Amino acid sequence: DAGVTQSPTHLIKTRGQQVTLRCSPKSGHDTVSWYQQALGQGPQFIFQYYEEEERQRGNFPDRFSGHQFPNYSSELNVNALLLGDSALYLCASSSREGYGYTFGSGTRLTVV
Amino acid sequence: AQSVTQLDSQVPVFEEAPVELRCNYSSSVSVYLFWYVQYPNQGLQLLLKYLSGSTLVESINGFEAEFNKSQTSFHLRKPSVHISDTAEYFCAVSLNYGGSQGNLIFGKGTKLSVKP
Repeated sequence: DAGVTQSPTHLIKTRGQQVTLRCSPKSGHDTVSWYQQALGQGPQFIFQYYEEEERQRGNFPDRFSGHQFPNYSSELNVNALLLGDSALYLCASSSREGYGYTFGSGTRLTVV
Repeated sequence: AQSVTQLDSQVPVFEEAPVELRCNYSSSVSVYLFWYVQYPNQGLQLLLKYLSGSTLVESINGFEAEFNKSQTSFHLRKPSVHISDTAEYFCAVSLNYGGSQGNLIFGKGTKLSVKP
């Protein structure tokens, strides 16, 4: 049973560019959440998708957007990258009927 | 607003010694409580969770945590640590929306370093 899969694992971008990160949830999960983990910090909630709609959002600017597809996979898009966007981006999936989140290994984004 | 405080950023301990990683939370509503572990260059793995019922919860690898509502704490303990327990540990809460879970709010983490 595959867990949460994220791609790519590492990424280097230049300030001002745009980036797309991808996530496939664990089998049986229908909800995808994205978190940003800066170096030395705990993960911070970006947003959550369920039924292809953004259901909850954390305190992140509109430069951060997302999408969920009919097969429950999800994308995180960040526009106009800043140096401060450098972080580990974690995808977590869950089920509306259960409790707890399963995390992927993350995408390490470096903005130079 | 909810918040999580992990009182120790780093905890060095010798192998086979006991350890306690402290976690306090603040919330005006009912919450679920979690401990996650993160090994270097990896994502988060669920260690244990408290949803309801018995206030003492255990993991399969010897960790346990006790929910103390009056002290709003959820400290993680292990009676005898191994070198392989070296990792960063995150305490987290999520709101209890009448049986449905909200997003996770994490503490800043505690780095456990087990020395031989």
